[in-house]
Amino acid sequence: DTEVTQTPKHLVMGMTNKKSLKCEQHMGHRAMYWYKQKAKKPPELMFVYSYEKLSINESVPSRFSPECPNSSLLNLHLHALQPEDSALYLCASSHTSGTGDSPLHFGNGTRLTVT
Amino acid sequence: QKEVEQNSGPLSVPEGAIASLNCTYSDRGSQSFFWYRQYSGKSPELIMFIYSNGDKEDGRFTAQLNKASQYVSLLIRDSQPSDSATYLCAVNIFSGGYQKVTFGIGTKLQVIP
Repeated sequence: DTEVTQTPKHLVMGMTNKKSLKCEQHMGHRAMYWYKQKAKKPPELMFVYSYEKLSINESVPSRFSPECPNSSLLNLHLHALQPEDSALYLCASSHTSGTGDSPLHFGNGTRLTVT
Repeated sequence: QKEVEQNSGPLSVPEGAIASLNCTYSDRGSQSFFWYRQYSGKSPELIMFIYSNGDKEDGRFTAQLNKASQYVSLLIRDSQPSDSATYLCAVNIFSGGYQKVTFGIGTKLQVIP
């Protein structure tokens, strides 16, 4: 069982809809991440939060809006998406130490389809 | 030059054989290296991580790191059909309280019964 929980598992939304993806972890991690993965491609980093502050935005379009309400929760708000945004959205968390032994722990992902 | 390079495969090995997966990276500042296994439609699952030169063994898996050659590998001994998956090499640079992890394209492994 994964210790990073993502909801929903599947989401179908129209281009005019507003929806949110949710991620929760109880591993005591203070860094949380959103990745996007298209079929047969590696995960691509979208956002990083460290100590609940946005540390990285990898030039992601504004129709994706991240939020980190507290150290355990990470949301991704979606609005006016395009069909090409259909993908597997992965949440991950890690410790913030720099000892080199702090891998990313992934949730099970949300499969998003934009119609 | 891609930051993390892997052969996309597929790499086919018979059941019981050793599977050897390779990865090179371009940034000499990279600090730690991860191998993730990903089944089709599922999320990546951590298999091994290594940050010191040499070998690290965990059960049937051995990770090898050579920082001078900027090379990381994963050996899977006694390969099983359940090992059939895509193996993602990931390279990490720690920066100010978070891990900046870059993934290779992944090598698809097929273990033939």
